Amino acid sequence: DTEVTQTPKHLVMGMTNKKSLKCEQHMGHRAMYWYKQKAKKPPELMFVYSYEKLSINESVPSRFSPECPNSSLLNLHLHALQPEDSALYLCASSHPGRDRYNEQFFGPGTRLTVL
Amino acid sequence: TQLLEQSPQFLSIQEGENLTVYCNSSSVFSSLQWYRQEPGEGPVLLVTVVTGGEVKKLKRLTFQFGDARKDSSLHITAAQPGDTGLYLCAGRTTSGTYKYIFGTGTRLKVLA
Repeated sequence: DTEVTQTPKHLVMGMTNKKSLKCEQHMGHRAMYWYKQKAKKPPELMFVYSYEKLSINESVPSRFSPECPNSSLLNLHLHALQPEDSALYLCASSHPGRDRYNEQFFGPGTRLTVL
Repeated sequence: TQLLEQSPQFLSIQEGENLTVYCNSSSVFSSLQWYRQEPGEGPVLLVTVVTGGEVKKLKRLTFQFGDARKDSSLHITAAQPGDTGLYLCAGRTTSGTYKYIFGTGTRLKVLA
C-alpha cells in the first residue's frame, strides 16, 4: 500500500478563518512533508518532519503551523491567510535517513482558495 | 543552493512520436525520482534511479541516471495521449536532513 490520504480535497476560507489540513499514511514512513504548489509550477517544500520532530522549515510564514501528532498523521493549521496563499497543498511521506532507495509518495492534495 | 533544470519546459507532439526530457544539475544527488502529475492531483511516482549510469524501463518509458548522479533523462517511445501531463524530476539530497529538490517541470501534451 503506497497511499497517502489528504482531507479535505477542496477548502475555501476567508482571511480571518482558522482551518486545518490533514494528511495520513500507513506505510510506516517516519518522514513527512508539506509542499505548496502554484499553478503550472513545481511543488515548493514548506516543512519536513523526521521521527515526529520538525527538521526543516523553509522560512514559511507563521500563519502556517505544522503539527505531527504521531508517526501516521500530519496536520497543517492555517490562520489569517492571504489570497496569495491559494494553491494546491501536497503532503508526502518517505522513510527518513540516508538510504538512497528511500522513495517519496504524495497524497492527492488539498486545493485551497483564500477569499 | 541546489537546482534542477528541466528541458524542454513545454512539449506538444503528435501521437506516435518519440521524445526526451532532460533533468540537469551541477549538484550530486543520492537518487533521482520521476513523477507525472495531472492537473489538480498529486504527483505520481514513476521510477527511482539510484546508481550512476542506471537505466530503468517502464513500458514505453526509459529513464537514465547520469554517471555522476547529477543529471537524468526520460525517453518516451511512441507517445500516446494518455502520456499527457506534467513531468517532474526530484533529486534526493546526499546529506544533512534529507529532502527532495524538484526540477522546473516539463509540460507534455500528446495530440491524437
